[in-house]
Amino acid sequence: DSGVTQTPKHLITATGQRVTLRCSPRSGDLSVYWYQQSLDQGLQFLIQYYNGEERAKGNILERFSAQQFPDLHSELNLSSLELGDSALYFCASSLSDGGQPQHFGDGTRLSIL
Amino acid sequence: EDKVVQSPLSLVVHEGDTVTLNCSYEVTNFRSLLWYKQEKKAPTFLFMLTSSGIEKKSGRLSSILDKKELFSILNITATQTGDSAVYLCGNYGGATNKLIFGTGTLLAVQP
Repeated sequence: DSGVTQTPKHLITATGQRVTLRCSPRSGDLSVYWYQQSLDQGLQFLIQYYNGEERAKGNILERFSAQQFPDLHSELNLSSLELGDSALYFCASSLSDGGQPQHFGDGTRLSIL
Repeated sequence: EDKVVQSPLSLVVHEGDTVTLNCSYEVTNFRSLLWYKQEKKAPTFLFMLTSSGIEKKSGRLSSILDKKELFSILNITATQTGDSAVYLCGNYGGATNKLIFGTGTLLAVQP
């Protein structure tokens, strides 16, 4: 058990809809990272927050947004969903914001119909 | 552009064999290289390497980094069926300090 909690485990929704994925980091970790994993793209970094502030940005679409709250949990919002957004979305956390091993949650599987 | 390339893409071995997985990288501002094992769910952390030439070891798994040639290898000796997984190599650094993963190596260990 990594200590990183993601909810829900599985989401099924239709194109054009909006969903929110939630992540609680390991106790004591200040950084939260979001990744998208699809069959053809592998594990892609989306965005990182450190202690509430955006720290690094990867290949995150404008339709996606994220935030980290004062209690350090994070939410990833995906809107105007398209079929291609179907993927496994992982959250990871680490103690600091640089070079530390990241501990991954079990992921949220998003299926767009 | 920062990138991480893993090879082979997949391999099938028999129990007891030794395997070597490769990871080469091109990244500015290198900070660390990390190996993860991904079975059905979340990637689980194996090793973090920051210094060249120093082997990290955990049981039958070991890894080493060559910062001059920009690659790392992950060795698994006496493989077991439980080693079957996707092994991910990630490089931390780049212009904006992010962890970039390769596409992974799928290892299947047959009894």
